Amino acid sequence: DTAVSQTPKYLVTQMGNDKSIKCEQNLGHDTMYWYKQDSKKFLKIMFSYNNKELIINETVPNRFSPKSPDKAHLNLHINSLELGDSAVYFCASSQGHGNTGELFFGEGSRLTVL
Amino acid sequence: DAKTTQPPSMDCAEGRAANLPCNHSTISGNEYVYWYRQIHSQGPQYIIHGLKNNETNEMASLIITEDRKSSTLILPHATLRDTAVYYCIVRVVVTGGGNKLTFGTGTQLKVEL
Repeated sequence: DTAVSQTPKYLVTQMGNDKSIKCEQNLGHDTMYWYKQDSKKFLKIMFSYNNKELIINETVPNRFSPKSPDKAHLNLHINSLELGDSAVYFCASSQGHGNTGELFFGEGSRLTVL
Repeated sequence: DAKTTQPPSMDCAEGRAANLPCNHSTISGNEYVYWYRQIHSQGPQYIIHGLKNNETNEMASLIITEDRKSSTLILPHATLRDTAVYYCIVRVVVTGGGNKLTFGTGTQLKVEL
């Protein structure tokens, strides 16, 4: 069983389109994250949700809208896609704070904007 | 966030110990040091973490200096599958839950025959 699963794994789309990436974790964790890894391989946090509440928002354009329908899911919707949005997006989860803080990452979703 | 400094790349012979250094001179007293790695095209994978004491698990050992300004990750018997980018990260706990991990540029470890 995959602990953190993302869909789709690959996504190719045109500029200006709207797309979503879905993430699900079956670890029973209460905190989920979205990270972006650009072409230079820098891995940066975008958002974090704890028990469906937004707790980290790292100056991401408002074209990016995360949604957490429940603790096990954190989806990322992107409006009006731009060339610079091309990257690999990683979802992760952890069991809150006060413990090891180990993050479990998904395999990534590679978004290519043409 | 405390910043970390790592060499951009290192080579290691298979079967030998790989020692990956990390400087974190501005670390504060309650910040942990974490190590993750990213094998090509995969999601980052947790390796080990520590606060003050040296730590060991089935994957690696973590040696933290007494002043906590630097640490070393040790892979005791490196294999080809250990070829990856290794990230040294200082953990910040965010109020309300969650842990913000800030990834730097990491060290590209190449294990060769």
